[in-house]
Amino acid sequence: SQQGEEDPQALSIQEGENATMNCSYKTSINNLQWYRQNSGRGLVHLILIRSNEREKHSGRLRVTLDTSKKSSSLLITASRAADTASYFCADNQGGKLIFGQGTELSVKP
Amino acid sequence: SQTIHQWPATLVQPVGSPLSLECTVEGTSNPNLYWYRQAAGRGLQLLFYSVGIGQISSEVPQNLSASRPQDRQFILSSKKLLLSDSGFYLCAWGQARSNQPQHFGDGTRLSIL
Repeated sequence: SQQGEEDPQALSIQEGENATMNCSYKTSINNLQWYRQNSGRGLVHLILIRSNEREKHSGRLRVTLDTSKKSSSLLITASRAADTASYFCADNQGGKLIFGQGTELSVKP
Repeated sequence: SQTIHQWPATLVQPVGSPLSLECTVEGTSNPNLYWYRQAAGRGLQLLFYSVGIGQISSEVPQNLSASRPQDRQFILSSKKLLLSDSGFYLCAWGQARSNQPQHFGDGTRLSIL
């Protein structure tokens, strides 16, 4: 069954703006991972946040985790046209990833 | 460095025909291996995973099967394809006994006619 659910399903912004995507999950997690998928390609891992972490940064990416609300958010700052892709959160359950439905991000130049 | 290869990239098959998709990993040993299916505009659904040679766990009942004849080879098969088997199939590997990220191949686009 699907664990994470992303919100919004689609997001369209202008280059230079920030993009925020949210993910909710239902059960307790070990860690939560964010992946990116370019159209027609495989997924690429972006960032992993452990259940005892609240915030993590990687370049222009910022991920937060609120275990009390069972939610996570991915912020992409100063977006670029090359950030156009689908973004997925995934809960790691004993080595198995349970994916949400993803957010389709479109960054217009 | 580790790499994962998946082929073919695209495949068009008639209903009732057999299927064999192959995935190989280089640069690591004893990886966990995974097959996922992705419907259009949707998230990934885990189909099979393997923690070792000959060890296959099925996540959902379906028309497909998986095999792991070698440590770094994972094969997805079907004896008779159904229309509902169409989709984007992704292979991935992860380090054994860890909760670390998985690494994905570029996928196979399967169309059933």
